[in-house]
Amino acid sequence: DAGVTQSPTHLIKTRGQQVTLRCSPKSGHDTVSWYQQALGQGPQFIFQYYEEEERQRGNFPDRFSGHQFPNYSSELNVNALLLGDSALYLCASTLGLAGVNEQYFGPGTRLTVT
Amino acid sequence: AQTVTQSQPEMSVQEAETVTLSCTYDTSESDYYLFWYKQPPSRQMILVIRQEAYKQQNATENRFSVNFQKAAKSFSLKISDSQLGDAAMYFCAYRSRTGNQFYFGTGTSLTVIP
Repeated sequence: DAGVTQSPTHLIKTRGQQVTLRCSPKSGHDTVSWYQQALGQGPQFIFQYYEEEERQRGNFPDRFSGHQFPNYSSELNVNALLLGDSALYLCASTLGLAGVNEQYFGPGTRLTVT
Repeated sequence: AQTVTQSQPEMSVQEAETVTLSCTYDTSESDYYLFWYKQPPSRQMILVIRQEAYKQQNATENRFSVNFQKAAKSFSLKISDSQLGDAAMYFCAYRSRTGNQFYFGTGTSLTVIP
């Protein structure tokens, strides 16, 4: 049973560019959340997708957008990259929206903006 | 908003000894979950232990146990018989019972000395 997978592992982009990160949830999960983890910090919640809609959003600008596909996989898009967007981006999946079910994290995508 | 505070950026422990990592949180909710996650250098966030706020009994998972003080809003992790493989960044996290968003602390880097 594959856990949460993310691609790519590493990514280097230039300031002003756009980037797309991908996440496949654990088998049987239908809810995907994205987190940004800056160096030396704890993960910060970006947003959550369920039934192909954004259900919750953290304190991130509109440059951060996402999508969920019918197979529950998800993308995180970041436009007009800033140096401060350099971070580890984590995806987490679970079943449903209630907090009772366990969440599983992927290994993350390391984004470097130069 | 919920906040999670880890006041120990770094901790060290001798192999086979016991170490306690501290965590405090702030919330106005009465029902929630608390977690300790381990993040090794490989980056994958691994669940160590979970506590449900309505349960007075402290959670235990093998060598890992918590001291949950609901009134004091304190949630510490005790690692007994420390092993080299326990070396990692440890994050304390809060999650509401009704939602999926995690609130993470800033982490404690644990070093295990052989």
